[in-house]
Parts: sequence; C-alpha cells; structure tokens
Amino acid sequence: DIQMTQSPSSLSASVGNTVTITCRASQYISNYLNWYQQKPGKAPKLLLYDASNLEVGVPSRFSGSGSGTDFTFTISSLQPEDIATYFCQQYDTLPITFGGGTTVGI
Amino acid sequence: QLHLQESGPGLVKPSETLSLSCTVSGGSISSKSYYWGWIRQTPGKGLEWIGSIKHSGNIYYNPSLKSRATISVDTSKNQFSLKLSSVTAADTALYYCARHNAPFGVVEGYHYFDSWGQGTLVTVSS
Repeated sequence: DIQMTQSPSSLSASVGNTVTITCRASQYISNYLNWYQQKPGKAPKLLLYDASNLEVGVPSRFSGSGSGTDFTFTISSLQPEDIATYFCQQYDTLPITFGGGTTVGI
Repeated sequence: QLHLQESGPGLVKPSETLSLSCTVSGGSISSKSYYWGWIRQTPGKGLEWIGSIKHSGNIYYNPSLKSRATISVDTSKNQFSLKLSSVTAADTALYYCARHNAPFGVVEGYHYFDSWGQGTLVTVSS
C-alpha cells in the first residue's frame, strides 16, 4: 500500500496567517491526490482534487500544489472557521489511502 | 441536494457480522459517473477505505480486510450496504458511506469522495 505522511501533525496559527501542510507519498503518485477538511463531529469534506483543483464552492484561500511524491496544501489567510483537521488522500494505486491528518488550531 | 444516511446496529459482538446500510436521497444511485463507498475512521488508524461499488455491480475492496467485507447495492431502494464478517475489537470505528465520484472509473483518471454521510459509530464488544 502507498503510505501517505503528513506534516506537521498539528499546528497553531493566527487569523490571517498563511498555513502550509505537506503530504509525502511513499511512492510516485503523479498528481493523484485529494485534500479533505474535517471539523469536529463532522464527516470529511472534499476541498481539492487532482492535487490542485478546487472543489465547487470551496473558498479560493485554499490551494494545493505538487506532483510525484511531495505535495503542499495552503490556506492563504486563515479564518476562524478553518479550524479543522486536514487529510490528504492518494488514488494513484488501490487501495486508496489517507494521510494521518494535520490539526489546525488558532 | 444529495444526502447519505448510514443505518445499522451500533453494537456488534466479536466474531459476528457487522451490517450497515446507506440510503441515498436527492440523487440516483444508478448515476453513471459514480461509485458508492465505505470508509471507516479510528483514532489509531485514521481514515481507511473499505471499498466502493457501482450500480452495475462493479466492486473494489481494500485487500487489508482479507475478504471479510462484502458491499452490495439495491437500486430499487437507492441503497448500498456493507457487511463485515468475523469482527473483532479492531473493527470498532466510525463508519462513513460516501459518494465516490469516478467519471473514468476507480483505476484511472481522477476520482474522489465528494459527499459523505454523517457517520455511524460501531462498537465491537461482548
């Protein structure tokens, strides 16, 4: 299985700051990567697919980049409602696997 | 607005079979571009994909479940289901059903889980 490693596992930032999360795949996955946001007590919500494509309705302060094995997820101006855990997920090779998550706090 | 709702027992005894259903409303389970998936979440292992099924019956499973998982679809009820046999405490988890948007299938092209149920907690205990 492809292992997805996220870092950091948690971070704290101020409103308006830029937040960056990295996700590393244990092998080459092209751009076959999605990002999800999960708020406490809620199901994950798709934010980005194909590494950098914003899902409809998702604010443009969320962005993603990368290809191959190294990926970056960025919140350009952190808002209070962005407090959540963020997960990456690869779909290059079955089984689909997820990163361990990064919890973003203020 | 698509809505998915999981249902099933919240407590299952060890060695028995876990059975969950997911009812889809606001959209057809027979839509061409979609598979329908099960994902579970635990504090220890995080998010784990269990498998995905298309209305036609095409199914993909996570091999880690070693053939214990069976996913089926009932188009007449707009539902799909999960059975997990021989459960142990390690199967205690929050189980989610989700729409698996896969216009080119699950083994090529982009695909993602774009709509999720609220999740249902299943505890395995005697």
